[in-house]
Amino acid sequence: EVQLQESGPGLVKPSQSLSLTCSVTGYSITSNYWGWIRKFPGNKMEWMGYISYSGSTSYNPSLKSRISITRDTSKNQFFLQLNSVTTEDTATYYCARNYGGYSGVMDAWGQGASVTVSS
Amino acid sequence: DTVLTQSPALAVSPGERVSISCRASEGVNSYMHWFQQKPGQQPKLLIYKASNLASGVPARFSGSGSGTDFTLTIDPVEADDTATFFCQQSWNDPPTFGGGTKLELK
Repeated sequence: EVQLQESGPGLVKPSQSLSLTCSVTGYSITSNYWGWIRKFPGNKMEWMGYISYSGSTSYNPSLKSRISITRDTSKNQFFLQLNSVTTEDTATYYCARNYGGYSGVMDAWGQGASVTVSS
Repeated sequence: DTVLTQSPALAVSPGERVSISCRASEGVNSYMHWFQQKPGQQPKLLIYKASNLASGVPARFSGSGSGTDFTLTIDPVEADDTATFFCQQSWNDPPTFGGGTKLELK
């Protein structure tokens, strides 16, 4: 059974970078797509981007200048970096497997990492 | 971006049937998925590609629709179904989510 777990700082200062790790067990990240999604206070959810089985990436245009998703296949982990954060980046961040290709379905999710941006 | 519109909240009694709607601002073929999220938990996939029941999900849940109008039906509703239900499309880029429908039990 695939399991995902997010980890990283829960508090980030404005203008700094947010960095999160998603550790995957039970399934290789060299198959399918792997993404980051965030949920803002008030319930709005936003897809942030994917990294594919081959290492190619796709990002939400709203974040394109600030986001980077990378991976370490030896550790079966993938990573999110979001630069120049503001208080509007305060959210719960989820990693998920996107099964069935780019237009597939997010069928497995991590428990989420709450991140607050505040000085 | 494709905007997905859901009713904010519904209240039903246990044992009743409830339909939760999701309307897309443009066609998404059948690439609409439904999730259930309870407080403090991650989203759980219920229905994928409009009408396919995800593994382990009770048959009380069903999905229908294509194009721009989709429905998640729960029949019968149980007390444990109290949650927020989200639709999400993966046909148009970028993938987008509905605002969620909070289901409350009377």
